[in-house]
Amino acid sequence: DAMVIQNPRYQVTQFGKPVTLSCSQTLNHNVMYWYQQKSSQAPKLLFHYYDKDFNNEADTPDNFQSRRPNTSFCFLDIRSPGLGDAAMYLCATSRGGATLEKLFFGSGTQLSVL
Amino acid sequence: GIQVEQSPPDLILQEGANSTLRCNFSDSVNNLQWFHQNPWGQLINLFYIPSGTKQNGRLSATTVATERYSLLYISSSQTTDSGVYFCAARDNYGQNFVFGPGTRLSVLP
Repeated sequence: DAMVIQNPRYQVTQFGKPVTLSCSQTLNHNVMYWYQQKSSQAPKLLFHYYDKDFNNEADTPDNFQSRRPNTSFCFLDIRSPGLGDAAMYLCATSRGGATLEKLFFGSGTQLSVL
Repeated sequence: GIQVEQSPPDLILQEGANSTLRCNFSDSVNNLQWFHQNPWGQLINLFYIPSGTKQNGRLSATTVATERYSLLYISSSQTTDSGVYFCAARDNYGQNFVFGPGTRLSVLP
């Protein structure tokens, strides 16, 4: 089945140690998103790619970076994780076009920072 | 940017009961979706419904775009319906989906 796959499911890192989360999709969608979700809160958009065009949210910290080497893969890099970065990180995709249609989410990566 | 509100914030039901969840948005939208987040954190897309009414089994949704709200109906609720229900909207000018704060549903056996 076509889907959005995130690895790993759980990630533990140390304070200040760089970490990379990965996302792949078999839907061939134009748009890929990274959301951060903290406990009991709504998902918050960090940034998204429309094809190769990168779009950063104004309030996304510089500590968060992203790469999309091809249509299928997208990475979230956290350069120096702090305790406040512990959260669920969700990758999503959608088609391009005027309305972007449906969002499809991966199962998420739960990040712990020690 | 667009603001999205949801009500009620929490809902407890007995199995078999019906419920209505509401989503209000502050501006015209070209995209409105409902999601269910299960206890393991997976977000499942329930409906893509910028306007009109759709049904899928025990679930149905209605969006009245001119009045800026959407409703999600759950009939004959089951314990597996428990979780958090989010609506997400995209306005006619923005690039991004904005999520509401969610409704946490607990269905008791």
